[in-house]
Amino acid sequence: KQEVTQIPAALSVPEGENLVLNCSFTDSAIYNLQWFRQDPGKGLTSLLLIQSSQREQTSGRLNASLDKSSGRSTLYIAASQPGDSATYLCAVRPGGGKLIFGQGTELSVKP
Amino acid sequence: EAQVTQNPRYLITVTGKKLTVTCSQNMNHEYMSWYRQDPGLGLRQIYYSMNVEVTDKGDVPEGYKVSRKEKRNFPLILESPSPNQTSLYFCASSLSGAAGGNEQYFGPGTRLTVT
Repeated sequence: KQEVTQIPAALSVPEGENLVLNCSFTDSAIYNLQWFRQDPGKGLTSLLLIQSSQREQTSGRLNASLDKSSGRSTLYIAASQPGDSATYLCAVRPGGGKLIFGQGTELSVKP
Repeated sequence: EAQVTQNPRYLITVTGKKLTVTCSQNMNHEYMSWYRQDPGLGLRQIYYSMNVEVTDKGDVPEGYKVSRKEKRNFPLILESPSPNQTSLYFCASSLSGAAGGNEQYFGPGTRLTVT
């Protein structure tokens, strides 16, 4: 059974730091992996989607990588800002219509 | 504006009283899905629909029903709600549910309390 793990569960950094969030999954047979952001009490916002054939995707200060064979993905955030404070979730698509989420990393960027 | 809408946003009800949470998208998406989010358990998929009249169970379907009679709507039905269904519910959609898929767009959430 596919399981998705995100470490650390929480992270606090000073403004301006570059940081990496980790996501691991147990079964490499996935169609894609998606990173989301969730603000407190709000819905999820899609950040980046990486198809299984891709190695990375970039959007602004965000870069997501995917290593299917090792079951890992990272989300790199450059020059972090207080507005980046949120919970970051990764989710894998094992096939069909299913989507399996990790429990998220709660990020706090201090001014 | 392209969006997924859910109603109601907040609902307090009593055990056993049937309720429906509506979900609608205006992006002509084929795929729609329902999730619940609970502290310590994260987001878990309840049901999904690959297209009109095609629905399938996610990881936690017990106690829920769905229907997909038209492309834009995907209501979640709780026939006899129980306190363990108290949760934050999200509806999502994407252009296609086929292999590879597309990014999912989420609604704002419905906070349900069952007493």
